[in-house]
Amino acid sequence: GENVEQHPSTLSVQEGDSAVIKCTYSDSASNYFPWYKQELGKRPQLIIDIRSNVGEKKDQRIAVTLNKTAKHFSLHITETQPEDSAVYFCAASKVRAGGTSYGKLTFGQGTILTVHP
Amino acid sequence: EAGVAQSPRYKIIEKRQSVAFWCNPISGHATLYWYQQILGQGPKLLIQFQNNGVVDDSQLPKDRFSAERLKGVDSTLKIQPAKLEDSAVYLCASSFDRGRYEQYFGPGTRLTVT
Repeated sequence: GENVEQHPSTLSVQEGDSAVIKCTYSDSASNYFPWYKQELGKRPQLIIDIRSNVGEKKDQRIAVTLNKTAKHFSLHITETQPEDSAVYFCAASKVRAGGTSYGKLTFGQGTILTVHP
Repeated sequence: EAGVAQSPRYKIIEKRQSVAFWCNPISGHATLYWYQQILGQGPKLLIQFQNNGVVDDSQLPKDRFSAERLKGVDSTLKIQPAKLEDSAVYLCASSFDRGRYEQYFGPGTRLTVT
């Protein structure tokens, strides 16, 4: 089955700095890669996702890049703010050619991001 | 649009007791998932439903866990009997499918088994 490795496990940055979290996956058939933010005691919230037909996607201060050959993808947060502090999870899934999803998300272990004011 | 609803939010039981969790997905979402999130780890899929049929239950400990989604809408996850290692947050998620892949999570049920 799919295996997703995520690094680093903890990341501490100063407000305004950039943060980068990296994930690798094992199943070359995976083609959908979402990122979730989870604040303490809260539900995981989808913040950005990318599909394998795209190499990069950006949404304001966050961006995700995908390298299918190397089977890794990364989350980039620029101009970090204290409210970005949370646990971030990457995940991988397979989507059928017809557009419906196998659905099963395999998650990484999570990265605790702390942004110091 | 209303989000995924779950209840109860917290549950404390003793080992060998039984417990049930309820989930109501976002309206119109055909696919429903139950994940187990142990403290400090990412969520792990237990079971996936497409309407009222099971798509994947390969990681569900079937000797003690069961789940159903009888009318293709809300779902119940049951543990009987519970073990100490079942202490975790049980997250329900749903997705629209049909070309939309995003999964939306409920607030979860935090289970403590003593």
